[in-house]
Amino acid sequence: EVQLVESGGGLVQPGRSLRLSCAVSGFTFDDYAMHWVRQAPGKGLEWVAYIISIGGSIRYADSVRGRFTISRDNAKNSLYLQMNSLRAEDTALYYCAKDLLNGVGIDYWGQGTLVTVSS
Amino acid sequence: QSVLTQPPSASGTPGQRVTISCSGSSSNIGSNTVNWYQQLPGTAPKLLIYSNSRRPSGVPDRFSGSKSGTSASLAISGLQSEDEADYYCAAWDDSLDGLVFGGGTKLTVL
Repeated sequence: EVQLVESGGGLVQPGRSLRLSCAVSGFTFDDYAMHWVRQAPGKGLEWVAYIISIGGSIRYADSVRGRFTISRDNAKNSLYLQMNSLRAEDTALYYCAKDLLNGVGIDYWGQGTLVTVSS
Repeated sequence: QSVLTQPPSASGTPGQRVTISCSGSSSNIGSNTVNWYQQLPGTAPKLLIYSNSRRPSGVPDRFSGSKSGTSASLAISGLQSEDEADYYCAAWDDSLDGLVFGGGTKLTVL
């Protein structure tokens, strides 16, 4: 059974940093690309970042490029999102998600971890 | 403003057939496959349709997808009360070099 478990969310002040983690199981992690997707309270889904399985290809949404960094540790079956210079508009539920292959789209989602940016 | 355009709401009565549209452009739907997701209240999204029209195992055949040009659609036949949810379309966008979602359609079963 595919499982994606996010952690690291919480309340943080504007301008500060936070690191999200996602522990995965139930599939061969290094065979698949991974994504982070967020959902602001009461709003729709917004794609944040993508990292290919092996080879380093990474993509970001314009809204986070230069502030967020996606990474993965295939040996630890883990995905990460380092978030710097956080803004109020980054407040959202952040989902870790598995790609169908490499860039085809998402097939499995975690339950999400809530990030609240507020003073 | 989402890159992919969906109607904000749709509704139908039990047993009815409902269709949700998703409009894009040549850089997303026009050149890449479309996936559809169902998000029940308070839960994570769930893959409903992938590669335009394929159903993952476990998804009832009441759900079907299609794509034509720069538009896609999700059809739900034999509508049931448990289908009441938010539905999102998604596709890779070659110009933005990222995944794009529709704004979501809230389906109400009357």
